[in-house]
Amino acid sequence: ILNVEQSPQSLHVQEGDSTNFTCSFPSSNFYALHWYRWETAKSPEALFVMTLNGDEKKKGRISATLNTKEGYSYLYIKGSQPEDSATYLCARISNFGNEKLTFGTGTRLTIIP
Amino acid sequence: DSGVTQTPKHLITATGQRVTLRCSPRSGDLSVYWYQQSLDQGLQFLIQYYNGEERAKGNILERFSAQQFPDLHSELNLSSLELGDSALYFCASSVGLGAGRVGEQFFGPGTRLTVL
Repeated sequence: ILNVEQSPQSLHVQEGDSTNFTCSFPSSNFYALHWYRWETAKSPEALFVMTLNGDEKKKGRISATLNTKEGYSYLYIKGSQPEDSATYLCARISNFGNEKLTFGTGTRLTIIP
Repeated sequence: DSGVTQTPKHLITATGQRVTLRCSPRSGDLSVYWYQQSLDQGLQFLIQYYNGEERAKGNILERFSAQQFPDLHSELNLSSLELGDSALYFCASSVGLGAGRVGEQFFGPGTRLTVL
């Protein structure tokens, strides 16, 4: 993998259901992975910053895991609510020293009430 | 509210013109980043400044330039504008560099540039 890739591109989930999506990234020269939540007409908001292989982070009903050896991260949302509707972006930092984020194109999540 | 401010919110201008976008980072943040989001594209990193110095460059055109001032605010200058420069331009800030620091970036509300 040469770039940061996210799948699926979009997802419709029934309210109350749980869901997950994937971020894949080059595993070489890995430094950190960020997850952001981006609601329409707002600016991206940080969810998690993950650095270590095997990291698991949780914020309320949202959690994320990281596998730096194989180059992927999963984001899970448990019991989806309408307010979870947003685009979820992951971004990778490869080189310590500039903290430049390389973003994936995002997964657009729509919760159906 | 992330604490990052950007002005103006909207900008409409003509091809060939020059504009300046302004960003004030969160209090205490030393790093400022500029990103561009065009139609059908993800967020593209343009440039990063840390404490007044350019730290990293991304896909920034030669017609674009930026600087960070002593008070840490930053400006992105876009010149000889083309239709394809129409986009949402975000500024983000973070605490900055340091041993083991990989802090999250806080995004401003963005400036929507329309080139007619």
